[in-house]
Amino acid sequence: DTEVTQTPKHLVMGMTNKKSLKCEQHMGHRAMYWYKQKAKKPPELMFVYSYEKLSINESVPSRFSPECPNSSLLNLHLHALQPEDSALYLCASSHTGGRTPLHFGNGTRLTVT
Amino acid sequence: TQLLEQSPQFLSIQEGENLTVYCNSSSVFSSLQWYRQEPGEGPVLLVTVVTDGEVKKLKRLTFQFGDARKDSSLHITAAQPGDTGLYLCADYNNAGNMLTFGGGTRLMVKP
Repeated sequence: DTEVTQTPKHLVMGMTNKKSLKCEQHMGHRAMYWYKQKAKKPPELMFVYSYEKLSINESVPSRFSPECPNSSLLNLHLHALQPEDSALYLCASSHTGGRTPLHFGNGTRLTVT
Repeated sequence: TQLLEQSPQFLSIQEGENLTVYCNSSSVFSSLQWYRQEPGEGPVLLVTVVTDGEVKKLKRLTFQFGDARKDSSLHITAAQPGDTGLYLCADYNNAGNMLTFGGGTRLMVKP
């Protein structure tokens, strides 16, 4: 079992819906990440939080809104998505400082109809 | 921006065969990580290589880091169906705060 827990595992939403993806880790990691992965492609970085502050936004559209309420939790709020936003959304965490490995959750499979 | 190219993109082999996959960078690696992603799961770290010419072994997997720090290879001996998955190489940017993945090699090992 992964030490990074993502919920829900699957989500189907319409283009006018508002939904949230949740991620939780209890490894004491202070860096957390959102990646997007389309079918047969590698993960692409969306956001990085370091010590609960947003440090990197890879030019992600504003219909994706990240939130880090505390060092263990990471949310991704979704609003007015498009069908092309359908993908696997992966959360990851790591120790900060140095080029440390990422620990990934198993993702949320999102379908936008 | 560093570009990581992996080859081959797809590989289908029979159980028991050997294989090698490659990762090449447009610039010098800082420290290269190899991950494996099985269907329906997130990527899992296999190894980190940091030293020029370094060789690391993980059971039937052998990882090599090039002397010029711009290439790496993963060799699997006697592949098994459980080795099936997407193999990803990844490297951090110069600031050490962004991990970027190569395009991946999708491996299928048939019984």
